[in-house]
Amino acid sequence: NAGVMQNPRHLVRRRGQEARLRCSPMKGHSHVYWYRQLPEEGLKFMVYLQKENIIDESGMPKERFSAEFPKEGPSILRIQQVVRGDSAAYFCASSPGTGSGTEAFFGQGTRLTVV
Amino acid sequence: GENVEQHPSTLSVQEGDSAVIKCTYSDSASNYFPWYKQELGKRPQLIIDIRSNVGEKKDQRIAVTLNKTAKHFSLHITETQPEDSAVYFCAPSMDSSYKLIFGSGTRLLVRP
Repeated sequence: NAGVMQNPRHLVRRRGQEARLRCSPMKGHSHVYWYRQLPEEGLKFMVYLQKENIIDESGMPKERFSAEFPKEGPSILRIQQVVRGDSAAYFCASSPGTGSGTEAFFGQGTRLTVV
Repeated sequence: GENVEQHPSTLSVQEGDSAVIKCTYSDSASNYFPWYKQELGKRPQLIIDIRSNVGEKKDQRIAVTLNKTAKHFSLHITETQPEDSAVYFCAPSMDSSYKLIFGSGTRLLVRP
């Protein structure tokens, strides 16, 4: 089992460009979560998705950010018109479901730098 | 929403000593209490967790204790080693794999 795979590991974008971050969950996992970690801070929940559905996007900024988890392929976190404040590490986690005994596993993260 | 606080924010101990980190939360509905370890530049990794029907859990040098009445839980590391140096996060939640609300982290330094 390859674990949760995120790519790219590092991404540099100029202000105003778009950033696309990809997350392939562990095999058999249908739940995906995205978190953002600013330097020297804890992880902040952004969005929780199941296949083709956004379950909870309460942590996602209302503008410029969107997420999807299509029936086929990885989950995508998309940031349009990036600004310097978007520079952070973005972590994806996946789980097989919810409830007692299940655990979310984190990917290695994508470090976004906006120049 | 859940308000999570960790103390201390930094902790420096001599190798072999014990370290204790406390996490206080506000949502009485929380029933899952994990601790994560994050080394520099790496992903958070679950090191121990406890559920609300248990007061204490131990795994070798690591233990977690829960006081649900007072709404806090603590991470205990005994016989600390330099490789324990990292940032530790608590993340109480209502479910083991629903959204985790992370504390601000405790930077632990174990001096050789």
